[in-house]
Amino acid sequence: AQTVTQSQPEMSVQEAETVTLSCTYDTSESDYYLFWYKQPPSRQMILVIRQEAYKQQNATENRFSVNFQKAAKSFSLKISDSQLGDAAMYFCAYLPAGGTSYGKLTFGQGTILTVHP
Amino acid sequence: NAGVMQNPRHLVRRRGQEARLRCSPMKGHSHVYWYRQLPEEGLKFMVYLQKENIIDESGMPKERFSAEFPKEGPSILRIQQVVRGDSAAYFCASSPQLAGYDEQYFGPGTRLTVT
Repeated sequence: AQTVTQSQPEMSVQEAETVTLSCTYDTSESDYYLFWYKQPPSRQMILVIRQEAYKQQNATENRFSVNFQKAAKSFSLKISDSQLGDAAMYFCAYLPAGGTSYGKLTFGQGTILTVHP
Repeated sequence: NAGVMQNPRHLVRRRGQEARLRCSPMKGHSHVYWYRQLPEEGLKFMVYLQKENIIDESGMPKERFSAEFPKEGPSILRIQQVVRGDSAAYFCASSPQLAGYDEQYFGPGTRLTVT
């Protein structure tokens, strides 16, 4: 079974600084997708960034970028120029590309990010 | 294009009552997923449905829980004889098709409180 582990229950960063959130996962599949979701106090799940396992290039979305290390099964999220609106719970998630678990997102435990002005 | 709709947003039930949670997927989406988020935890997969079919219910408790996605109308997650441990946020997500990668779009969730 796939597992996703976020080892940092809480992180904090000063406004305009950079912070990195860690995520590791375990799978025997070779093709899959990885995601970072943001959950603000409203509880709405917002997709931040997506990475396809077959792509070696790290995904980037504006201030958000990932460091995807397939061999190490590591998928960290870097937030540059942090803003107060970035404060939220962040979840790392795994989605197989096929097989019997197709469609089933597996989430990590989450990391609470606090942004200090 | 309206997003995924869930209602009610908040639901309070006494122990032993039934809870019905509704999810209307985005227009054009024929796949629905239900996830449960217990306090201080990540989301856990419950069930994956297509119109009139349950594709994967491996995350659904064997008793008291059921889900359906009829040909017409919203998807329903039904919890019979609720207990305090059912208190959680229940999220629905939808996606357009099976082939290839499909992003799952999440609704705002229903927070169930069992008193």
